[in-house]
Amino acid sequence: ILNVEQSPQSLHVQEGDSTNFTCSFPSSNFYALHWYRWETAKSPEALFVMTLNGDEKKKGRISATLNTKEGYSYLYIKGSQPEDSATYLCAPNTGNQFYFGTGTSLTVIP
Amino acid sequence: DAGVTQSPTHLIKTRGQQVTLRCSPKSGHDTVSWYQQALGQGPQFIFQYYEEEERQRGNFPDRFSGHQFPNYSSELNVNALLLGDSALYLCASSVVGSSYNEQFFGPGTRLTVL
Repeated sequence: ILNVEQSPQSLHVQEGDSTNFTCSFPSSNFYALHWYRWETAKSPEALFVMTLNGDEKKKGRISATLNTKEGYSYLYIKGSQPEDSATYLCAPNTGNQFYFGTGTSLTVIP
Repeated sequence: DAGVTQSPTHLIKTRGQQVTLRCSPKSGHDTVSWYQQALGQGPQFIFQYYEEEERQRGNFPDRFSGHQFPNYSSELNVNALLLGDSALYLCASSVVGSSYNEQFFGPGTRLTVL
């Protein structure tokens, strides 16, 4: 079992603010790190899959970095918009099994 | 292209009853995983099915069982329901051997046990 921690648990920001969250996981036995965006009453949507130390991925205003040696990943949102309001989950996987954190709930206030 | 679908959306049962949840994977996917998300927690892995067999199992009791059909759809069965089984149950599909086992999720089934 991998202990995955996400912080903060929740976040309220004003529209236009930039924000970031952290995902921490044991650095050993690592295969890949997945970020998901989950809006209420919808399916979790895959954002990024990251595998290499120093990896950096970007999709529009959202980007993520990975440090496998120290066991953490950061997710950044630049210029937050109300439609970014969602829960952001990270999940390292060791082969078939995904280990999810409890997520960061982001609310963007117009 | 339909994504992962789950039925029913919501379900209310009483303690001791049995429940069956259903999942249809994304087109072209052959592997189905089930997760339980209890209140305040992240999704926890229950098991994964491939080629109609349970391939891997998380830390869940035998009351949780599953099945995969030849068309790759899957069922999750829970016997002797407990109040603590109240949760959102997520199904995820993937393709065996895909890059990093990327999984695509359905919207979940909300189970309430009274």
